[in-house]
Amino acid sequence: QVHLVESGGGVVQPGRSLRLSCAASGLVFSTYDMHWVRQAPGKGLEWVAAIRFDGKNKFYADSVKGRFTVSRDNSMNTLHLQMNSLRAEDTAVYYCARPERGTYRYSPFDFWGQGTMVTVSS
Amino acid sequence: DIVLTQTPLSLSVTAGQPASISCKSSQSLLHSDGKNYLYWYLQKPGQPPQLLIADVSNRFSGVSDRFSDSGSGTDFTLKISRVEAEDVGVYYCMQSIQLPHTFGQGTKLEIK
Repeated sequence: QVHLVESGGGVVQPGRSLRLSCAASGLVFSTYDMHWVRQAPGKGLEWVAAIRFDGKNKFYADSVKGRFTVSRDNSMNTLHLQMNSLRAEDTAVYYCARPERGTYRYSPFDFWGQGTMVTVSS
Repeated sequence: DIVLTQTPLSLSVTAGQPASISCKSSQSLLHSDGKNYLYWYLQKPGQPPQLLIADVSNRFSGVSDRFSDSGSGTDFTLKISRVEAEDVGVYYCMQSIQLPHTFGQGTKLEIK
């Protein structure tokens, strides 16, 4: 069974940094593109970033481009999201998600982690 | 970016009755391969979203056959034939034909 577990969330001041991780099991992690999706409190879902299976190509929402960096360690089956210059509007639950067909496009997300909460506040 | 507009934003349905949610896209989600890259999710309170339907008419594993969808191009509809208490939550449509992937605003379903 596929299992995705996010960690690294917490309370951070505006302008500071935080690094999220997503530990994956039950899948051949190195063959899947992966995504980050976030959800602000009481709000809808927002796609944040994606990374190709080999880490060579990365894609970002305009709202985080230049501040967030997605990366992966296939030897450790782990996905990361480095978040710099955090803003109040980045406050959200951050989910990692697996595309059913392994590709970053043309595929629904069939497995999601439980999410990790990031609160940006002074 | 592709904008997905869901209606209604909230729905109150008597158990056993049908329900329907519309998702309209600002651009066609029909690819040249003949597939519509539009999906439906249900997010129950305190949980991550769960995939209901992929690629129109393709229910995800374990999803009740009370759920069905239809549509093509820019207009899509999720239908629940008989609403049950376990169906309560927020329903989202999502497209993956183009980055950034985008979601509808969500439709909150409650039982009367």
